[in-house]
Amino acid sequence: AQKITQTQPGMFVQEKEAVTLDCTYDTSDPSYGLFWYKQPSSGEMIFLIYQGSYDQQNATEGRYSLNFQKARKSANLVISASQLGDSAMYFCAMREGYTGGFKTIFGAGTRLFVKA
Amino acid sequence: GAGVSQSPSNKVTEKGKDVELRCDPISGHTALYWYRQSLGQGLEFLIYFQGNSAPDKSGLPSDRFSAERTGGSVSTLTIQRTQQEDSAVYLCASSPLQGDTEAFFGQGTRLTVV
Repeated sequence: AQKITQTQPGMFVQEKEAVTLDCTYDTSDPSYGLFWYKQPSSGEMIFLIYQGSYDQQNATEGRYSLNFQKARKSANLVISASQLGDSAMYFCAMREGYTGGFKTIFGAGTRLFVKA
Repeated sequence: GAGVSQSPSNKVTEKGKDVELRCDPISGHTALYWYRQSLGQGLEFLIYFQGNSAPDKSGLPSDRFSAERTGGSVSTLTIQRTQQEDSAVYLCASSPLQGDTEAFFGQGTRLTVV
């Protein structure tokens, strides 16, 4: 069964607008972490933001914020004021706690295209 | 260096040959991952090492694939009798034990089987 689901293979957004990239996850482990990475065409994996399962507030890092809805098992990434350089592949990832062996697994990714 | 180092960066091999891909994790990182990424696709989990525990090999696609991690540091991913469908970028990542720290990725090895 899929543990990380990203349902949007591709997304378009106008420059300077906000965009939400969806991510849902499945785990029975009470302790887990959620991550978002960006992969530009150069291929490097760039860490963006982290949310812990016990964190009460949504994580924010500059223009990135994570909309964490624990009951819905949702961890959407919101990018505000999109820039052309945001065009890339975005991956959601989850690291489970003890019961999951602390393994990190990734979703299939969403390719974001920012239009000028 | 301070980051995750992978070698070679590119490898072209003939179908049927064996290949070895190397990963040098960040010093002190107990966790080491191998992923495979086909062109334009997501990251396919292959294998995971955590400290001295038995590795999680649940993602290895066939018995042609194997990996070792010597001394809790350097790891080698071996693909025997390569097939054209093995062509992909192989990414290695490492992380410390703390669950709230991201995985750090190497630049990958691009494997092409001809």
